[in-house]
Amino acid sequence: DIQMTQSPSSLSASIGDRVTITCRASDRIYSYLNWYQQKPGKAPKLLIYATSTLQSGVPSRFSGSKSGTDFTLTINNLQPEDLATYYCQQTYKTPPWTFGQGTKVEIK
Amino acid sequence: QVQLVESGGGVVQPGRSLRLSCAASGFIFNNYGMHWVRQAPGKGLEWVANIWSDGNNKNYADSVEGRFTVSRDNSKNTVYLQMSSLRAEDTAVYYCARETISQTGTWDWLDAWGHGTLVTVSS
Repeated sequence: DIQMTQSPSSLSASIGDRVTITCRASDRIYSYLNWYQQKPGKAPKLLIYATSTLQSGVPSRFSGSKSGTDFTLTINNLQPEDLATYYCQQTYKTPPWTFGQGTKVEIK
Repeated sequence: QVQLVESGGGVVQPGRSLRLSCAASGFIFNNYGMHWVRQAPGKGLEWVANIWSDGNNKNYADSVEGRFTVSRDNSKNTVYLQMSSLRAEDTAVYYCARETISQTGTWDWLDAWGHGTLVTVSS
């Protein structure tokens, strides 16, 4: 199975900062990478699919990119409502569709 | 609007069985594959199982293979997760999620999630 390694596991940033979260795949997954946001006590919510396509309704300060087997979620101009844990998920080939371990974003 | 509502969670003893349900509304259920994802207390997301829209194909995580069975009833717009031989490590919130596939058939993602149902395996 493909393993996803996410970093950092947590971070603290100030309002207005740019935040970067990285996800590395153990094998080539092309662009089969999605990002989810999970706010405390809530179900996950899709942010980005196919590496860089923003889900409808998601603010444009969120963006996704990749370089080789490394994938990046960037949050520009961090807002208070971005307090959450973020997960990457690979969907290459037949399931299992593995998730990264998650990155908890805290506001300073 | 799209809605997924899980039910059937509760406290169960190790070795026993439990069946979760996920009732869907607001979309054409038999057009979509469905997934189960779980989250142990304080932990990350773990993909559990999926079933194709027609019910003919299913996949499972290694951790539940042979113990859990996913099924669906398209006449009732409901997907199920039958869990047997439950273990303490199966304790988690179980979410059902809808799989959407791009128009080109290339990409897929989970774009709708239920609120989850808590399963606690304890004696």
